Amino acid sequence: SQKIEQNSEALNIQEGKTATLTCNYTNYSPAYLQWYRQDPGRGPVFLLLIRENEKEKRKERLKVTFDTTLKQSLFHITASQPADSATYLCALRMDSSYKLIFGSGTRLLVRP
Amino acid sequence: GAVVSQHPSRVICKSGTSVKIECRSLDFQATTMFWYRQFPKQSLMLMATSNEGSKATYEQGVEKDKFLINHASLTLSTLTVTSAHPEDSSFYICSATRKNTEAFFGQGTRLTVV
Repeated sequence: SQKIEQNSEALNIQEGKTATLTCNYTNYSPAYLQWYRQDPGRGPVFLLLIRENEKEKRKERLKVTFDTTLKQSLFHITASQPADSATYLCALRMDSSYKLIFGSGTRLLVRP
Repeated sequence: GAVVSQHPSRVICKSGTSVKIECRSLDFQATTMFWYRQFPKQSLMLMATSNEGSKATYEQGVEKDKFLINHASLTLSTLTVTSAHPEDSSFYICSATRKNTEAFFGQGTRLTVV
C-alpha cells in the first residue's frame, strides 16, 4: 500500500541545535516533494520544494535532502529558535496532477 | 508569496443546516483549487479537486452530495457542507495553485456542528 510516514512523536530540542525531521514514503514516485509548516488552527505555509532530480535544497536556515533510492527526505533547521516550534508536514506531488499527498506531520518543540 | 483567503475562519451551525465556505486567491488566478479536511493531530486529507468552469473531482469515499463544490471563477471556489451533522465537524482547508508552483493554503475553517 502507499504510505507517507513522518515521526508521530514530537521532536523536542534545545534552542540553537539543529532539528532534523524525516519523511519516508512507499509505493509512490513523486516528481516533487514539499515541506510545509503548520501552526495550530492555521493552514499550512509552504517552506521548500525539491524536485526528483535534485539532491539538496537550501533556504536560509532550512535544508532539504531528497533520496529517491531510499524514498526519503530529510528536513533540517539549523540554529533552531523557539519560534520554529510548529508541526512540519511533508507532501508528495506526482507529475501528472497538482494534487498533494500529505504525511501526518511531526511536531517540533524548541526549548529556550 | 501568493495569498489565499478563506472565510469564515470559524462557524458553528445546528445539525441539519448547510454551511458555505469560501476560498479566494487574492493576487493570482488559480489554475486549480483543492479542498482538504483535517482531524486533530492528523494529516490533511484531500477531499476534492476543483477546476474553474468544470465539475469537481472527488476523492474516493467523499460524498459528492454532502460536500458541494462550486468553482465559478479563477479566483473563487466554495465548499458547501449540506445537512451538516456532528461527524462533519472538522477543520476544512482550501489551497490554490498556479501551474508548476507550490500550493498556497487558506487559513482554514473550523466547523462545529451542534
